[in-house]
This record gives sequence, structure tokens and C-alpha cells, in this order.
Amino acid sequence: GAVVSQHPSRVICKSGTSVKIECRSLDFQATTMFWYRQFPKQSLMLMATSNEGSKATYEQGVEKDKFLINHASLTLSTLTVTSAHPEDSSFYICSAREQRGPNTEAFFGQGTRLTVV
Amino acid sequence: AQTVTQSQPEMSVQEAETVTLSCTYDTSESDYYLFWYKQPPSRQMILVIRQEAYKQQNATENRFSVNFQKAAKSFSLKISDSQLGDAAMYFCAYRLNTGNQFYFGTGTSLTVIP
Repeated sequence: GAVVSQHPSRVICKSGTSVKIECRSLDFQATTMFWYRQFPKQSLMLMATSNEGSKATYEQGVEKDKFLINHASLTLSTLTVTSAHPEDSSFYICSAREQRGPNTEAFFGQGTRLTVV
Repeated sequence: AQTVTQSQPEMSVQEAETVTLSCTYDTSESDYYLFWYKQPPSRQMILVIRQEAYKQQNATENRFSVNFQKAAKSFSLKISDSQLGDAAMYFCAYRLNTGNQFYFGTGTSLTVIP
């Protein structure tokens, strides 16, 4: 299957700083990428959907000024957590959809564990 | 509203035995796709199996098979000959053919007992 690479896998940052997480589709073009947040032993919560070259669509309750998403190319989307606080500590997962006719699935990155201290 | 329900937060199975994980969903649409994803301790989400709603035949991938009941909006996953490596969180998900968004269930934690 297609490969999605997410970096970094773990990051610890100080409160008030910003952190950037990268999501790359390595062997396919991803016109749509998704960013999820996952709390321990819970399901994936969709934060936003990003389409290449356009603004991301944020889910209700997700602060777009805090979670900046950029999808500048068909293989790269970034999530920047600005002015991070301890409550932003979580596991963040990206996924990308390969456009291959109507029968498409989502491929996931390895996830990023963010700890804000 | 599109919802996916997994009523079994935890399941266990003896190694080499068979286990079935339940999933129901709610949609008014008729054209969609259903998925089972596995999330092992590494947290990497892995596609296990996929089913197109327009197909009556149940999907099968080696030891994994589904029981798709469209009228009942049910999509269960059967794991045969369970192996220790099957231990993971399993998420049921679905996506409308006309949309991009995936809707995930709350997950079932599967333990495989040696």
C-alpha cells in the first residue's frame, strides 16, 4: 500500500512555543490530507481536512488560529501548533487519501506524540 | 448525522480461535465504503479490510472477513485463527462515496491470550 510519513514521531516543547508536524505522502499524490487528534484509548477525532492549494476546513470546536494547517504541495501537509499549552499534549495523526478512482482508502502516518511542558 | 458504533470496548480471544468484532453505522446514503483499521501498540493505523456498499459479497483478506448486512447497517469483522500479532485496537470506519471524510467508531481493544 501507499506510504505516509509523519515527522517527528515524538516532540517535547515548552509551553508558549510552536511546534510543526510534517506529513508526507511518499509514493502518491494526496490531494486531500486529514489531521486527527487521539486521546489515550479513544478514537480518532478529526481536526481538519486540507486540500492542496486551498485553505483547510476545520471541524467545529477546533481553533484554526491555534492549529495552522498548510497543504502547499500534493505530497506535503503541515500542522503547526502555535503557542502550545499542556492541554495540547496529545497524539496527532495525519492521513492522506490516494485518488485512484472511486475506490479509495486513507493511509496513515505513524503519528506524533506531542508533550508540552 | 453519520455515526459509527462499536459496542464492544474490549474483547479477548484465545490464540488460534475465532473472534468477531461488531460495528453498526447510521447513514441515509446508499453509496459508501466501510473499513476496518487496526492500531497496534506502535499506534500506526493499518487497513485490515475494505467493503464497498454496492457489493453484496462479503470481503475477505486471508484470516480476516466481514459480515456486511446493509439493511441492518451492520459490518462485523471476523478474525480466524487468531495470532498474538492480532492484538490491537480495531476501528470500524466508513466514508461516503461522495465525500472525503472518514467516520470512525470508538474502537475495540482486542487481547489475544496465548
